[in-house]
Amino acid sequence: GAVVSQHPSWVICKSGTSVKIECRSLDFQATTMFWYRQFPKQSLMLMATSNEGSKATYEQGVEKDKFLINHASLTLSTLTVTSAHPEDSSFYICSAPSVSGSTDTQYFGPGTRLTVL
Amino acid sequence: GQQVMQIPQYQHVQEGEDFTTYCNSSTTLSNIQWYKQRPGGHPVFLIQLVKSGEVKKQKRLTFQFGEAKKNSSLHITATQTTDVGTYFCAGRASGTSYGKLTFGQGTILTVHP
Repeated sequence: GAVVSQHPSWVICKSGTSVKIECRSLDFQATTMFWYRQFPKQSLMLMATSNEGSKATYEQGVEKDKFLINHASLTLSTLTVTSAHPEDSSFYICSAPSVSGSTDTQYFGPGTRLTVL
Repeated sequence: GQQVMQIPQYQHVQEGEDFTTYCNSSTTLSNIQWYKQRPGGHPVFLIQLVKSGEVKKQKRLTFQFGEAKKNSSLHITATQTTDVGTYFCAGRASGTSYGKLTFGQGTILTVHP
């Protein structure tokens, strides 16, 4: 089956620093990937749609200058949290659409837990 | 915007009891999906329902999609400790981009042996 990886799986950083999270589709190509944010015991909130070769589409209320998304190849999307602050601490998960069947079906990466001190 | 409500938020059952979680959308959905997230893990796709009134079964799990394509349910018969986790429904509103899902709040299921 389709595998999506994320790196790093967890990161602790100081306030004001930037953190880059990678999302890779390992055995398939993904022209579109999605980035979600999840707070403890809460639902997944879609942050943005990452489009290969073009600008990402951000959901309402998500600062595009704060959360930089780059989808440079068909297997890699990156999310950079710039000038991170404690309120940015969260679980960030990426997903890529299924290559067979419905493109609404998502394969999720294992997630990245970000803690900003 | 589209909202997907899911109840209950928490459900504690004894092993062997049944469990049901319900999902309600504010708008008509093109399809609805169910995901399971184990504690500390990531969501894993369970199933997708597309047709009005559709019912699908996976072993002890039964999924239903309402006639109006605005609500759905997941029923687990005779729960086991391996069923522990958070169950999310996720839907795409009619007319929106593929893959743009709205998730319900999730139901956290605990199973006592």
